[in-house]
Amino acid sequence: QQQVKQSPQSLIVQKGGISIINCAYENTAFDYFPWYQQFPGKGPALLIAIRPDVSEKKEGRFTISFNKSAKQFSLHIMDSQPGDSATYFCAASLHNAGNMLTFGGGTRLMVKP
Amino acid sequence: EPEVTQTPSHQVTQMGQEVILRCVPISNHLYFYWYRQILGQKVEFLVSFYNNEISEKSEIFDDQFSVERPDGSNFTLKIRSTKLEDSAMYFCASKSASYEQYFGPGTRLTVT
Repeated sequence: QQQVKQSPQSLIVQKGGISIINCAYENTAFDYFPWYQQFPGKGPALLIAIRPDVSEKKEGRFTISFNKSAKQFSLHIMDSQPGDSATYFCAASLHNAGNMLTFGGGTRLMVKP
Repeated sequence: EPEVTQTPSHQVTQMGQEVILRCVPISNHLYFYWYRQILGQKVEFLVSFYNNEISEKSEIFDDQFSVERPDGSNFTLKIRSTKLEDSAMYFCASKSASYEQYFGPGTRLTVT
């Protein structure tokens, strides 16, 4: 019930294209859904996050789409750039005293120049 | 911009030895976390710490693990007797009363 499933495992996109990464969760009590970007040898960096009371959130080239009934959310990277090449993790959590993040398996994105 | 810092960046230890990984969370944050990431795999939750006590822990966080906030700034993870399978990147994270968790750069632990 705590799982978060992420797809695809890897993604190759041409520069200027749209990168789309999908996640599905099981626990309907989750109330916070962040995306993290991780470069090799670095810690995960918070990219963008959404609460389930909205269906979409946009920050610059990054958009989260959220479908509560389907228990799915996705990250769209518009005008993808080579500098976006990294591993992306979706996550979910419950806003209780612990607030532990449950991570998806990660998507390795490569943006070709 | 405030950030989470971790030391050391790389720790090599022999099986059975004790290790202490150190973290300095962002100064006004109240919640502290340890996660680990085995090479090439996803990030896994270990433990959360709030108000000077553990608030949640995962199955990974067994009796060999402990956490401590020895002073007002540091947050440590101790592994009492390391095993080969403890080799991983260990990330400290912290957050304020809001939702966002911020991660440190990690400590690479290699157990030989």
